[in-house]
This record gives sequence, C-alpha cells and structure tokens, in this order.
Amino acid sequence: QLQLQESGPGLVKPSETLSLTCAVSGGSIKNPTSYWGWVRQPPGKGLEWMGSIHSSGRTYDNPPLKSRVTTSIDASKNDFSLKLRAVTAADAAIYYCVRVDEFGNFDYWGQGTLVSVSS
Amino acid sequence: DIQVTQSPSSLSASVGDRVTITCRASQSISHYLSWYQQKPGKAPKLLIYSASTLQSGVTSRFSGSGSGTDFTLTISNLQPEDFATYYCQQADRTPWTFGQGTKVEIK
Repeated sequence: QLQLQESGPGLVKPSETLSLTCAVSGGSIKNPTSYWGWVRQPPGKGLEWMGSIHSSGRTYDNPPLKSRVTTSIDASKNDFSLKLRAVTAADAAIYYCVRVDEFGNFDYWGQGTLVSVSS
Repeated sequence: DIQVTQSPSSLSASVGDRVTITCRASQSISHYLSWYQQKPGKAPKLLIYSASTLQSGVTSRFSGSGSGTDFTLTISNLQPEDFATYYCQQADRTPWTFGQGTKVEIK
C-alpha cells in the first residue's frame, strides 16, 4: 500500500521560503504512471492544487503560484519536495502531498502538515 | 482555467436519507470528474473517478453520474460515517481545480 508522509517546518517567517518534503513508501517514485504533487488547504477553506512533477522531471504548474513554486524529485531517496518562495499570511495552510494517477485523479494523500506564517 | 462550481455549499440530512450533490464545470470536461470525501482533521479520500467509477474499497452507497459539464454525486441510505465535506475535482486538464466543497451535516 502506497504511503506518503510530509515533513518540514511548521512555522515560516513572512517573505521567507517554505520547504516541505514528501517521503514515499510502498512503491517507487519512478512508476511511470505516477505524478507527484502538492495540494494545500487554508484552515476552514477548500482545496488548491499547487503543482505536480513526474519522475521524468516534467513539471505541471498552477499559474497563480507558478512564479513562487518549485517542485523537485529525488528518486534515490524516493521522495519529492516543494519550495514556496516569499510566503505571506495567505500561505498559511495544511499542505498535503499527493500521488496523481495518469488520469489526473488524486488517489493517495499524505496526512497533511500545518504550516503557519508568522514573524 | 476550468472552474468547478458545487452546490449546495452545505446541507442537512438524516440517517437513511438519499443525498445529491451537484458539480458544474465551466466548459466540457467529458467524464474527467472525481469526487472526494474529507472528514475533520483528515486528508481527503478519493471516492469516485471518471465521473462514475467507484474507487476500490468504497461502499456502493456512493454513486456518480454525468458528463460534459454537469455531474452528480449521490449518497444512498446515508450513514453516520458519511457526514463529511465532499469535493469535486476536474481531472480533464491542468491546472486541476476543485469545487468549493459541500458539507453534509446531521439534521
């Protein structure tokens, strides 16, 4: 059974960079039908897909975030990462890492990690 | 970008009821529509993909229908564990987008 687990700081200062990593277990990140990504959810609000990456290195961006988001993959560690630059209070959210199947369905989710933005 | 609009935003229902949630896409997405269930403090869970295909392990009390721009999630014989927030998501093209959610509460 595929499992995803987010890790990273729970508190980031305004204007700094939020960095999260997602460890994948129970399957290979190099599976050609898998895409890996990030979804966030501000407290009490809805879901926003942030971006995804394939093991080939191809990335898929969400235009409103494209200038601030970098996703990367480390096949040797079977994990992938998110960097969100220049954070503001509006970036405070629960961040989920996800596996996206080849049809665009988010079929595996991490448990989520809450990130707050404060000085 | 394809916008996805869910309705209603919330509803109250009783155990045993049949509940229907609708999702409308801003342009045709064929059958590329998924439904998720989220309980408080938990990650969303994929229920249905390709508009009507039940994800493995999901109870058949959940069903989906629709194509093009209009889609429906139906929960039959509502059970206590079904009280949650439900989201639709268009999987037709990036940027993948979610509906705003429908909270199903106990009447």
